[in-house]
Amino acid sequence: NAGVTQTPKFRVLKTGQSMTLLCAQDMNHEYMYWYRQDPGMGLRLIHYSVGEGTTAKGEVPDGYNVSRLKKQNFLLGLESAAPSQTSVYFCASSPYTELNTEAFFGQGTRLTVV
Amino acid sequence: AQTVTQSQPEMSVQEAETVTLSCTYDTSESNYYLFWYKQPPSRQMILVIRQEAYKQQNATENRFSVNFQKAAKSFSLKISDSQLGDTAMYFCAFMRGDDKIIFGKGTRLHILP
Repeated sequence: NAGVTQTPKFRVLKTGQSMTLLCAQDMNHEYMYWYRQDPGMGLRLIHYSVGEGTTAKGEVPDGYNVSRLKKQNFLLGLESAAPSQTSVYFCASSPYTELNTEAFFGQGTRLTVV
Repeated sequence: AQTVTQSQPEMSVQEAETVTLSCTYDTSESNYYLFWYKQPPSRQMILVIRQEAYKQQNATENRFSVNFQKAAKSFSLKISDSQLGDTAMYFCAFMRGDDKIIFGKGTRLHILP
């Protein structure tokens, strides 16, 4: 009964380093999302995907790239990390049917860029 | 573009009282969904309640209910008989029929003993 799993849970990066955050869901959901949460800013959408092989930009896409090669996985990449990307990152998935549009969230990844 | 506004950054109420959290949104769509999510200190995002725009009846889930005013684009959450475990951040969210989910900035709710 895993649901949405994010890897890793914590990470510290140096400025300029790269990394990939992995999101995996086992619910066969079509939609997947990456958000960042900063104090006073709520959850802001970075990128999202409405199906395997598709991606789209959200509100704050700069500095991030994503891929959805498999339906169950949604990867978020930082090519050259900056201190402004210090945040808590959440992945979510949604089945999107008329009966159920609830988004299920992972536990979050706390990323610190120094 | 759709926007979601929560005008109360922080609120405090006494245990057992009733509290209402406000949310307004802006959209030109007729088919959409609205949500309230709770985020306790554990950081986990938990769905509290969901409302389909085409339904006129306000959604309820035990002590939680909404006042959905479609014409006014308002979606407030009422928590009755508040409990200490209700202390959390509450986020209002909007989803268009086939698109992304947009969140408000949240309301931090403190339930005081």
